[in-house]
Amino acid sequence: DVKVTQSSRYLVKRTGEKVFLECVQDMDHENMFWYRQDPGLGLRLIYFSYDVKMKEKGDIPEGYSVSREKKERFSLILESASTNQTSMYLCASGPLGTSGVFGPGTRLTVL
Amino acid sequence: GNSVTQMEGPVTLSEEAFLTINCTYTATGYPSLFWYVQYPGEGLQLLLKATKADDKGSNKGFEATYRKETTSFHLEKGSVQVSDSAVYFCAAMAQKLVFGQGTRLTINP
Repeated sequence: DVKVTQSSRYLVKRTGEKVFLECVQDMDHENMFWYRQDPGLGLRLIYFSYDVKMKEKGDIPEGYSVSREKKERFSLILESASTNQTSMYLCASGPLGTSGVFGPGTRLTVL
Repeated sequence: GNSVTQMEGPVTLSEEAFLTINCTYTATGYPSLFWYVQYPGEGLQLLLKATKADDKGSNKGFEATYRKETTSFHLEKGSVQVSDSAVYFCAAMAQKLVFGQGTRLTINP
């Protein structure tokens, strides 16, 4: 089975901290995605990557950056966390042109 | 840009009731359409999909038909169970995946 893992299920950080969310997939997928999920807003795409060292902005990239140094790993970085970045973060991966398999999510709280 | 609108929740039904969750999309061309389910405390799982007009996706008793003429992909199940309680997301994919806002479904025994 395809497996997408995220480094933490729950994370609590303080305003201004630098936060790293890690996502790893084990199926050699080209595409990887980061979404945030908020009540009443569904999932919104933050960034995606279709190859190593390649990245594309999604719908809400402001306040985030990403890194993809290896094909299996896609990191989401909050350079200076703010309270409005409290959310559920979901990573997904998939072959080109597919919707992807989702990880279990990381619930981030910024105090 | 592409967008997906789905029926607002929450939806509460009794066990064995008939379920419909409406979903409509706007997109250039003909996107692939998906329903995802998120059980409490878990990530998203693909429930079913359809890639072209008139295709019917089905899984676990759920069905949805790709209706090009009405730009819809409504989710249906004839007899729901308590274990179907979850949040359901409709999504459309052209170059990227766009999600609806989610519908929380609660099934009471």
